[in-house]
Amino acid sequence: ETGVTQTPRHLVMGMTNKKSLKCEQHLGHNAMYWYKQSAKKPLELMFVYNFKEQTENNSVPSRFSPECPNSSHLFLHLHTLQPEDSALYLCASSQAGTGPVRTEAFFGQGTRLTVV
Amino acid sequence: ELKVEQNPLFLSMQEGKNYTIYCNYSTTSDRLYWYRQDPGKSLESLFVLLSNGAVKQEGRLMASLDTKARLSTLHITAAVHDLSATYFCAPGISSDKLIFGTGTRLQVFP
Repeated sequence: ETGVTQTPRHLVMGMTNKKSLKCEQHLGHNAMYWYKQSAKKPLELMFVYNFKEQTENNSVPSRFSPECPNSSHLFLHLHTLQPEDSALYLCASSQAGTGPVRTEAFFGQGTRLTVV
Repeated sequence: ELKVEQNPLFLSMQEGKNYTIYCNYSTTSDRLYWYRQDPGKSLESLFVLLSNGAVKQEGRLMASLDTKARLSTLHITAAVHDLSATYFCAPGISSDKLIFGTGTRLQVFP
């Protein structure tokens, strides 16, 4: 596979459930991102991992827990979510750095999450 | 706090017409990205603007960057229906941080 792959594509979960979103990139990038897209706020940056280290946590509630075991994989663990957390969750990767090595972000297809 | 504002938020235009989308941002950035998103789909990179005065063109779309004014534009020439989508700008404010604008939803009608 090529590019950025997210699974599952759709997820319905109850407020007491625990689930995980998975993202895998095959681009050799060193940075990975989670974004949340909803009708209220189009594209919110949630977390950034650079060389597996978290460099950004944009005041995200603790019911969202990211994990980056290596530079190719990124997870978002979900527990006790609220209905307002229903949204499209997008994963992206890029080559972070300075100068010409730095690239734009490449996005996966997203996971459409519905919390009931 | 970085603010990225796009203008307009919604744009309904007739085929064949020209229009410009504006992207203003509030902090220093050495580059800017434009993305396209079709309904129900993910984001697709359109342009990477790497310096002040950069201009790039692809088909009916042309993007420019003025880093001093903290302004980027996306110009649409002779719009066609296939351009209907939401367009996002994103200044690259650090080596690994991409903050997106509010998006401009474009609808092109016959």
